[in-house]
Amino acid sequence: VVMTQSPLSLPVTLGQPASISCRSSQGLLHSDGNTYLTWFQKRPGQSPRRLVWEVSNRDSGVPDRFSGSGSGTDFTLKISRVEAEDVGVYYCMQGTHWPRTFGQGTKVEIK
Amino acid sequence: EEQVVESGGGLVQSGGSLRLSCAASGFSFSDYWMSWVRQAPGKGLEWVASIKVDGSEKYYVDSVKGRFTISRDNAKNSLYLQMNSLRGEDTAVYYCAKGAFGPEFWGQGTLVTVSS
Repeated sequence: VVMTQSPLSLPVTLGQPASISCRSSQGLLHSDGNTYLTWFQKRPGQSPRRLVWEVSNRDSGVPDRFSGSGSGTDFTLKISRVEAEDVGVYYCMQGTHWPRTFGQGTKVEIK
Repeated sequence: EEQVVESGGGLVQSGGSLRLSCAASGFSFSDYWMSWVRQAPGKGLEWVASIKVDGSEKYYVDSVKGRFTISRDNAKNSLYLQMNSLRGEDTAVYYCAKGAFGPEFWGQGTLVTVSS
């Protein structure tokens, strides 16, 4: 399954919203009824951090300015108001089909 | 506190072997799928392999099939990745991660460098 993110680079003004798209080449609805689409944040020098699991469930400790949505093959991660600490690369990943696959990554930077 | 700590990375010649280990603590290791994910220098994340709770199912990315073997020892709360016939393109930071459907948390990673 190919995961395609856009844009690959996202310059954002502090306090402004940001949106990242992730499209899969196949539907991500698992036979168990769940849709295993996950969003990760990768800051420089740090390990990846899971932000959102199963499309729209935010992990504990993740600010509520992050939200995930979508279904089928189209998914979105939104940041309602970008803060300086949000700089990094964001990846979507599908966990429905083998092999697992990641998007190319979207680099979020401050204008 | 849940934690996974990788070890075993280093510099190896092309064609050589290396065994990575991941020590888990703070959660019931035997209840979770586990995965290895890597990131080559300047590149994105690439899933490498996953293993079911009891080791009965193992999955690999095509580029490592036949060369890498994932295994686990639930009695020791440990995950392993045996890497044989290493190539330059295997150079990466290798992360151990809890889960396989959307890995919940990751270790700090261990660097594997394959030289020609």
